[in-house]
Amino acid sequence: QKEVEQNSGPLSVPEGAIASLNCTYSDRGSQSFFWYRQYSGKSPELIMFIYSNGDKEDGRFTAQLNKASQYVSLLIRDSQPSDSATYLCAVNAGGTSYGKLTFGQGTILTVHP
Amino acid sequence: DAGITQSPRHKVTETGTPVTLRCHQTENHRYMYWYRQDPGHGLRLIHYSYGVKDTDKGEVSDGYSVSRSKTEDFLLTLESATSSQTSVYFCAIQSSGSSVAQYFGPGTRLLVL
Repeated sequence: QKEVEQNSGPLSVPEGAIASLNCTYSDRGSQSFFWYRQYSGKSPELIMFIYSNGDKEDGRFTAQLNKASQYVSLLIRDSQPSDSATYLCAVNAGGTSYGKLTFGQGTILTVHP
Repeated sequence: DAGITQSPRHKVTETGTPVTLRCHQTENHRYMYWYRQDPGHGLRLIHYSYGVKDTDKGEVSDGYSVSRSKTEDFLLTLESATSSQTSVYFCAIQSSGSSVAQYFGPGTRLLVL
């Protein structure tokens, strides 16, 4: 059973702070990693994806991947109240599972003014 | 929104009745997916399609069937709806290229009484 684990939260941070969201996965053969944001009552929205070890930055978002530790994280700098949402980590194993994503249960983030 | 629509957006039905949900995309993507999202379980894959008439089972396929007779339409059928199938159903498409990133439709809220 391939698993993706996230702390369900809620994670509460003040406006302007850095929010750090974490995800671990069980399948060592996993190839690609995704972060989605989901507002209440809405569909998941892709924020970033990462394949290689290290950091990938896009605006206020940075994804970090450490395959040896089977760990992927998302940092949100200068957090805003509009960042309050559930953040979903998803993992694709590749190979015969090409295109099939396994999702974590999500971390609820609250950014308070 | 990746050109994905889902219909109906909301449905209330009774136990034992068949229900069909439709996912329609306008951008000729090959891969399409059906997920259900439930509290405590996150997003779980029901079925997916890798081309016209080519479909396969996901993690939670029991009680569901799918059909894809045209590239743009992917139908999910609950053969005999049960209360355990009350959920939010999302359709997703996989983008072209190497990222295997998936983009979600707006969702269908289904209540089985």
